Amino acid sequence: NAGVTQTPKFQVLKTGQSMTLQCAQDMNHNSMYWYRQDPGMGLRLIYYSASEGTTDKGEVPNGYNVSRLNKREFSLRLESAAPSQTSVYFCASSLDSLLYTGELFFGEGSRLTVL
Amino acid sequence: RKEVEQDPGPFNVPEGATVAFNCTYSNSASQSFFWYRQDCRKEPKLLMSVYSSGNEDGRFTAQLNRASQYISLLIRDSKLSDSATYLCVVNFFILTGGGNKLTFGTGTQLKVEL
Repeated sequence: NAGVTQTPKFQVLKTGQSMTLQCAQDMNHNSMYWYRQDPGMGLRLIYYSASEGTTDKGEVPNGYNVSRLNKREFSLRLESAAPSQTSVYFCASSLDSLLYTGELFFGEGSRLTVL
Repeated sequence: RKEVEQDPGPFNVPEGATVAFNCTYSNSASQSFFWYRQDCRKEPKLLMSVYSSGNEDGRFTAQLNRASQYISLLIRDSKLSDSATYLCVVNFFILTGGGNKLTFGTGTQLKVEL
């Protein structure tokens, strides 16, 4: 039961380097999301994809780009990493609209440190 | 003011105790409410939805008070395995532009001790 798989689990970058976080789900979900979690702050939405072929900005999109490669995969790219992007990143998916079910299925998280 | 506020804790309780957490939200257009559980260095997982009439799942009871804009989670007969961070989550319509937004609280940490 893989669910939501994200890679890598850990990454250390230097300021200015780029990297891509990969995420894949095997639950045939339509919607996918990228969140970041920082101490003292709730999970904050970076970008989401309501369905294959669409992507939209969340609360904190600056410095990030996303690609919904197909229904299963949703990647997050940091073009020029900054120390402020040090965080734990979670990919999540949901069957459809979150309005009533509210059930997100999360990956195990990716811990990113930018020096 | 934060859209969703929780007491960060930690709440340290002995095994077998009853403990309650509250969460307040600021947006009166909020439509649905949830509690998620997050173990240390793990991903959040849905614990339960919160219904207007209140709902119970084993030792866990969730309540919603729309007039005062808060939700609560009560855990009875606490177990060591209940130690985790409990995240309050609120879902509301975005009036301009449509769609909905899921907002997470920062979480309340519970430590159940022998």
